[in-house]
Amino acid sequence: QKEVEQNSGPLSVPEGAIASLNCTYSDRGSQSFFWYRQYSGKSPELIMSIYSNGDKEDGRFTAQLNKASQYVSLLIRDSQPSDSATYLCAVKTPGTYKYIFGTGTRLKVLA
Amino acid sequence: EAQVTQNPRYLITVTGKKLTVTCSQNMNHEYMSWYRQDPGLGLRQIYYSMNVEVTDKGDVPEGYKVSRKEKRNFPLILESPSPNQTSLYFCASSLGQGASGYTFGSGTRLTVV
Repeated sequence: QKEVEQNSGPLSVPEGAIASLNCTYSDRGSQSFFWYRQYSGKSPELIMSIYSNGDKEDGRFTAQLNKASQYVSLLIRDSQPSDSATYLCAVKTPGTYKYIFGTGTRLKVLA
Repeated sequence: EAQVTQNPRYLITVTGKKLTVTCSQNMNHEYMSWYRQDPGLGLRQIYYSMNVEVTDKGDVPEGYKVSRKEKRNFPLILESPSPNQTSLYFCASSLGQGASGYTFGSGTRLTVV
C-alpha cells in the first residue's frame, strides 16, 4: 500500500461546478497535511494546509480532514478553466522532516 | 520577492560527467529539500537539510550528494550521472516547523545521455 494515495484522474468537471479531490494516507500518526497545485511544466504551489479534523476554507478552496478514516479532501467551488492542473496531496511523516507526496490528481475544468 | 532559485533550468549532460544543480532561498528558511519528479512516481525526496551542516537521506539518495554550508544554499551534486537520473528536479524550502508547507523552485530538467 502506498503511503499517500490519490486517484490519478483525469477528473473532469464543468465550469462552475464543485471539484472534489481525495487523498488517503497510511500513517495514522500523521498530523500535517498539504495540498499543492501544479500546472503543466511548472513547480508545485502550496494551496492549503490543514492539521485538525474538520473543514478549513480559503476563498474557493476547502480542505477537509478526517483522521479516523485517514483521508483528506480538497473541494474547489465554482471551478474555473484556470483551475485545470494536477493537485498533489502531501503528508508530513510524524516525528521527522519528511513529507510524502501522492502522485497527484489531474483536474480538467471544461468551459 | 520571496523565492527559491534553482539553476540551471535545463541541462543535458553525458554519463559520468560531474554536475551541480544550485539552489538558493531568500526567506531565511531552516529546512531545505531536493525532490525528483518522474511520471507515475510523483515527487520523491532525495535529501533534506534541517539546518546548516545538518543533512539526511530521503527516499532515493543513491547517486546524489548535498551540502549545506550556508543557510540559504543547498546544492545537489551528481558525481557520476547515469541515464536513470534523467528527471525533473525541484528544490524546496520551508520554515521547518510542522505547520509549514514548501516553497518550490522552478525546477531543473536534467537529461543524462
